Amino acid sequence: GAVVSQHPSWVICKSGTSVKIECRSLDFQATTMFWYRQFPKQSLMLMATSNEGSKATYEQGVEKDKFLINHASLTLSTLTVTSAHPEDSSFYICSSEGPMNTEAFFGQGTRLTVV
Amino acid sequence: SQQGEEDPQALSIQEGENATMNCSYKTSINNLQWYRQNSGRGLVHLILIRSNEREKHSGRLRVTLDTSKKSSSLLITASRAADTASYFCATDAKDTGNQFYFGTGTSLTVIP
Repeated sequence: GAVVSQHPSWVICKSGTSVKIECRSLDFQATTMFWYRQFPKQSLMLMATSNEGSKATYEQGVEKDKFLINHASLTLSTLTVTSAHPEDSSFYICSSEGPMNTEAFFGQGTRLTVV
Repeated sequence: SQQGEEDPQALSIQEGENATMNCSYKTSINNLQWYRQNSGRGLVHLILIRSNEREKHSGRLRVTLDTSKKSSSLLITASRAADTASYFCATDAKDTGNQFYFGTGTSLTVIP
């Protein structure tokens, strides 16, 4: 199946700094990618839809200035957590529509810890 | 919210027994998928069932879909200790493309 690679898998950063998470589709072009957030022992919550060449669409309650999404190419979307706070510590997962636009393929996830 | 619900929230069974998890959702869908997540890890895709399908099998997994009740079930037969994980259903609403909305998840523990 299609492969989505997410990097880094784990990052620890200081409060106030920014962290960039990359999501790449390795063997197909992804015009649309999705970013999810998961708190411990909870389900995944959709944060935003990333569209290649245009602005991301954010779900209600997600701060677009805090979670900057860039989808500059058909194989790469990035999520930047700006001015991170401890409450931003979470598991972030990206996904992409597969080549047949039916199934979704998920990255391995990024565990962000803000200290 | 389009987030679905799953029940039970937690399930503990003996190895060899069958495990059944249910998922309910709110809107019309294109597909419903089941995922598995080991603690602190990413998601593993288990099975996809389309809205025009009623049942699907994959190895020890059996998934049913009832669109009239907006519900799905995942059955794991002859469970193994390695099946211990959280299981989520995910739906994509018909008018939102491939944005997936996840259920609340079922935490399955299989006791050796």
